[in-house]
Amino acid sequence: QKEVEQNSGPLSVPEGAIASLNCTYSDRGSQSFFWYRQYSGKSPELIMSIYSNGDKEDGRFTAQLNKASQYVSLLIRDSQPSDSATYLCAVNQNSGGSNYKLTFGKGTLLTVNP
Amino acid sequence: AAGVIQSPRHLIKEKRETATLKCYPIPRHDTVYWYQQGPGQDPQFLISFYEKMQSDKGSIPDRFSAQQFSDYHSELNMSSLELGDSALYFCASSPYRGSYEQYFGPGTRLTVT
Repeated sequence: QKEVEQNSGPLSVPEGAIASLNCTYSDRGSQSFFWYRQYSGKSPELIMSIYSNGDKEDGRFTAQLNKASQYVSLLIRDSQPSDSATYLCAVNQNSGGSNYKLTFGKGTLLTVNP
Repeated sequence: AAGVIQSPRHLIKEKRETATLKCYPIPRHDTVYWYQQGPGQDPQFLISFYEKMQSDKGSIPDRFSAQQFSDYHSELNMSSLELGDSALYFCASSPYRGSYEQYFGPGTRLTVT
């Protein structure tokens, strides 16, 4: 079982709709959770980070974390065609060293149709 | 705002050659991470450095080595290149030890022929 699981999609939504992306993780000790957006052939771009249970809102994006259920989600309101990309869920894991590597899910491809 | 700089952006090498990838972190970021992303795959952690010392190692082949220099830039050295090494290589940096947010550079696309 992969440590970070995402629905691979593709997820297709009409312009202006809400896109909902989901992620589960296996390591109960994980403390930090991130959503990255990656356009094809480009680098991952950090769009949200969340550390505590509950919701965190930033513009059109809302991240939700439920540590008891080991579940993280990202909502994108008023979706735009420019939001079409792969969304990577990442979990920060201390592998015993002094730094914290990111473990990624395989990503969900989102397409927003005009 | 300044971002992570990586060079070169594209690199074409033949099998068994060597390659050196460079990463310049965001100013005042002292932690550097290297990731490899194959076609259709998610990024995989290779190695990290904090204050010029290797701090963690992931699925990095023995043919690869890396270091961080006094100006905090890092280099990933890859020898005896194989076709399977063809991938995007990303460097990411964090502002200080214990900060969990990582900011990625534009990547180096390595093609091994």
